[in-house]
Amino acid sequence: GQSLEQPSEVTAVEGAIVQINCTYQTSGFYGLSWYQQHDGGAPTFLSYNALDGLEETGRFSSFLSRSDSYGYLLLQELQMKDSASYFCANRDDKIIFGKGTRLHILP
Amino acid sequence: EAQVTQNPRYLITVTGKKLTVTCSQNMNHEYMSWYRQDPGLGLRQIYYSMNVEVTDKGDVPEGYKVSRKEKRNFPLILESPSPNQTSLYFCASSFGGSSSYEQYFGPGTRLTVT
Repeated sequence: GQSLEQPSEVTAVEGAIVQINCTYQTSGFYGLSWYQQHDGGAPTFLSYNALDGLEETGRFSSFLSRSDSYGYLLLQELQMKDSASYFCANRDDKIIFGKGTRLHILP
Repeated sequence: EAQVTQNPRYLITVTGKKLTVTCSQNMNHEYMSWYRQDPGLGLRQIYYSMNVEVTDKGDVPEGYKVSRKEKRNFPLILESPSPNQTSLYFCASSFGGSSSYEQYFGPGTRLTVT
């Protein structure tokens, strides 16, 4: 079956760097998207990788390796407001999301 | 303002009473989709639509219907709701084809079926 696997929780310290991994197994794969969701809110788009390599958007970067069926989201200079859940998702007509990674940030 | 709207935001209903959750977008997006979100299960796609009059099943379509008669609207219909459909529902839209990677989500509809 199709699936995207992420760790359920990650904890990091304010100001530090954290990496959230996503491994995927999908029949059709065109790229990997990342979304952020704060408690009580809707998911919002963060980043997308269609090709192998690193995409940088401010403090957030995302990486994709198609040969390893693996990607990650990198958050730098962590701030308390980054405490949220993060989801990876495939890009296809039928979209599959990972179950999400809850990021806890310690002061 | 570019947005996806959903109504109602909160709904408590009883088993078997038909209901419709509306979704509308003002960005001229081709692709629209419905998701349900349950604790520990993440977002699961119910139905999606590539364009007007084109709909297809997602991962969890049982018990739901959709229609896409106009580009901007994509209502979700529960003909006979059951308690296992109690969930948080999100509508989303995006440009189609290779641009479907960036979805815009509505604010969500919290549905309780008793």
